[in-house]
Amino acid sequence: EPEVTQTPSHQVTQMGQEVILRCVPISNHLYFYWYRQILGQKVEFLVSFYNNEISEKSEIFDDQFSVERPDGSNFTLKIRSTKLEDSAMYFCASSEVDEQYFGPGTRLTVT
Amino acid sequence: QKEVEQNSGPLSVPEGAIASLNCTYSDRGSQSFFWYRQYSGKSPELIMFIYSNGDKEDGRFTAQLNKASQYVSLLIRDSQPSDSATYLCAVPGGGADGLTFGKGTHLIIQP
Repeated sequence: EPEVTQTPSHQVTQMGQEVILRCVPISNHLYFYWYRQILGQKVEFLVSFYNNEISEKSEIFDDQFSVERPDGSNFTLKIRSTKLEDSAMYFCASSEVDEQYFGPGTRLTVT
Repeated sequence: QKEVEQNSGPLSVPEGAIASLNCTYSDRGSQSFFWYRQYSGKSPELIMFIYSNGDKEDGRFTAQLNKASQYVSLLIRDSQPSDSATYLCAVPGGGADGLTFGKGTHLIIQP
């Protein structure tokens, strides 16, 4: 069964460093998303992406964040200058229409 | 802004009984509703979705939607210890919009 994959599973970085989180959505899906979940809190929407451009972004998705689909399979989230409060699980999701399927996540730890 | 409310629990149910999980939402215009299961340290897994008023059954799971009351529920019949998880209710904005999640209900199935 097709699934969303994400790499790396765990990323440790120092405050102020740039990180790139990678995702491979399900191949026939057209919509791509990034979410984050701070430990013990609810899943929060960051950004959606369709037809090679951002469709919607939340208040969390400020200028420090960017997304890109560099080729036909990968979908990336870049955080330019990480802060301690960026420590969280980051989930990529994809959908053909409405039903969104999540990848296993990347745990980002900022020290 | 959309709000999704869930009782955080924990909800403790004996093995073999019916577990009933509830969710209310604020946006009367919401058209579709999703239930995700999240095991500790894992990503959300889509288990049910419902678009129309009434009941939708899939195996041991039944989703119930009442748009007039802005209420959606999930019933799990013949509960198993493996059903112990946090159950997340989610509402999309439509199209490529992101999901708004509730905080989730922590379900414990007691053997």
